[in-house]
Amino acid sequence: KNQVEQSPQSLIILEGKNCTLQCNYTVSPFSNLRWYKQDTGRGPVSLTIMTFSENTKSNGRYTATLDADTKQSSLHITASQLSDSASYICVVSDRGSTLGRLYFGRGTQLTVWP
Amino acid sequence: EADIYQTPRYLVIGTGKKITLECSQTMGHDKMYWYQQDPGMELHLIHYSYGVNSTEKGDLSSESTVSRIRTEHFPLTLESARPSHTSQYLCASSELNTWNTDTQYFGPGTRLTVL
Repeated sequence: KNQVEQSPQSLIILEGKNCTLQCNYTVSPFSNLRWYKQDTGRGPVSLTIMTFSENTKSNGRYTATLDADTKQSSLHITASQLSDSASYICVVSDRGSTLGRLYFGRGTQLTVWP
Repeated sequence: EADIYQTPRYLVIGTGKKITLECSQTMGHDKMYWYQQDPGMELHLIHYSYGVNSTEKGDLSSESTVSRIRTEHFPLTLESARPSHTSQYLCASSELNTWNTDTQYFGPGTRLTVL
C-alpha cells in the first residue's frame, strides 16, 4: 500500500533554533517528492520539489533532502522565525499513470515560540 | 501569492440544502483540482480537470459534482448537503506541462459546516 508517513506529528521550538522534520514513504514507482507549508486556515504553499536524481534542494531557510534508496526525506529549517509556525506536508508522486497520483502525508504541526 | 480564489471562505448551512463552492484562477492554468481536508488529516483528491469540458473523479468518493465550462472557473456543487460533508475544501491549479513536476497552487479554502 502506497503511504507517506511524517514525524513528529507536532513540534514546538524556540525562535532562532533549527529543526528537522521527517518523511518516510512507500510509494512505488517514485517520481518526485514535494514539501508544502500550510498556514492555519490557508491552502498549502509549495516549498520544494525533488525528483529521483536530486538529493537536496534549498529554498531560503528551508533545505530538503531526499534518499530515494531508503525512501526517506527531511526538511530542515534554519534559524526559525515565528512565521514558520505552520503545518508542513510531505507529498510523493508516482509515475504509475499519465495522471501521476499524489500521496499526501498528514503533516507535522510546527509551533515556534518567542 | 497565487492568483487562485475561493468563495465563500466559510459556510454554515442546514441539511438538505444545495450549495456551490466557487473556485477561480487567473493564471491561465489548464489543470484544476478539488481536495477535501479534515483537521489533522491528509488532503484527499475528490475531483480534477485537465481543461475545459474535462472532469474526472478523484481518489476519495464524493457526492459532489464539478463542471469546467471556462478555463478559469471550476465550481463544486453539493445537491443535498449532509453533516458528513462538513470539512475543508481546497481548490488548486497547475500548468499542463508534466503532471509529475508541475507546481500546484492552492486557494485559501472553504470551511463548510453542515448542521
